[in-house]
Amino acid sequence: SQELEQSPQSLIVQEGKNLTINCTSSKTLYGLYWYKQKYGEGLIFLMMLQKGGEEKSHEKITAKLDEKKQQSSLHITASQPSHAGIYLCGEDRGTSYGKLTFGQGTILTVHP
Amino acid sequence: GAVVSQHPSRVICKSGTSVKIECRSLDFQATTMFWYRQFPKQSLMLMATSNEGSKATYEQGVEKDKFLINHASLTLSTLTVTSAHPEDSSFYICSARGGLVRNEQFFGPGTRLTVL
Repeated sequence: SQELEQSPQSLIVQEGKNLTINCTSSKTLYGLYWYKQKYGEGLIFLMMLQKGGEEKSHEKITAKLDEKKQQSSLHITASQPSHAGIYLCGEDRGTSYGKLTFGQGTILTVHP
Repeated sequence: GAVVSQHPSRVICKSGTSVKIECRSLDFQATTMFWYRQFPKQSLMLMATSNEGSKATYEQGVEKDKFLINHASLTLSTLTVTSAHPEDSSFYICSARGGLVRNEQFFGPGTRLTVL
């Protein structure tokens, strides 16, 4: 069973709209990573969150980690077609070497 | 962010042949590299963890004799798919840790393997 759940699985929005993607773990996270992927390409690192209640922003993307460190949200403000892609959250449970387990991904489509 | 490269980006081979994929960290020393596999419309699945100078640690269900991993230096890890079969066709992505922020993990652009 998937231990890191992402929602929604897909999202279609009109350009300029705000959107939120959620990532929930069944266990307390040591670290939570957000990546963006274009189909058939590698992953682009967006943000990493480690502390409960932490929030980070980069341009129009904001990511938060809840106090219990089990849930994270990625928020995009005023979406643009360039934001389209697959968003993946990955959890680091503090195991050896920091390997990541990924959620199933959220496919974002932004219509101009 | 740090740069990780993979070579080749695409490879097509005949069934039964072996294919080597290289993963390089270009501007930092990667103490640990990871190899993932991704099927169409699915998420990444970790195959193995590779540490420089030691044997790779494979995830459950991944055949170590099928997927040979060598982490020869702090900037290079290789994945060799031995005796490839059509079911090995997939998108293989590596990642590397050990940059300025040790917890950050940077991914390569991926290698598309097609086995005929």
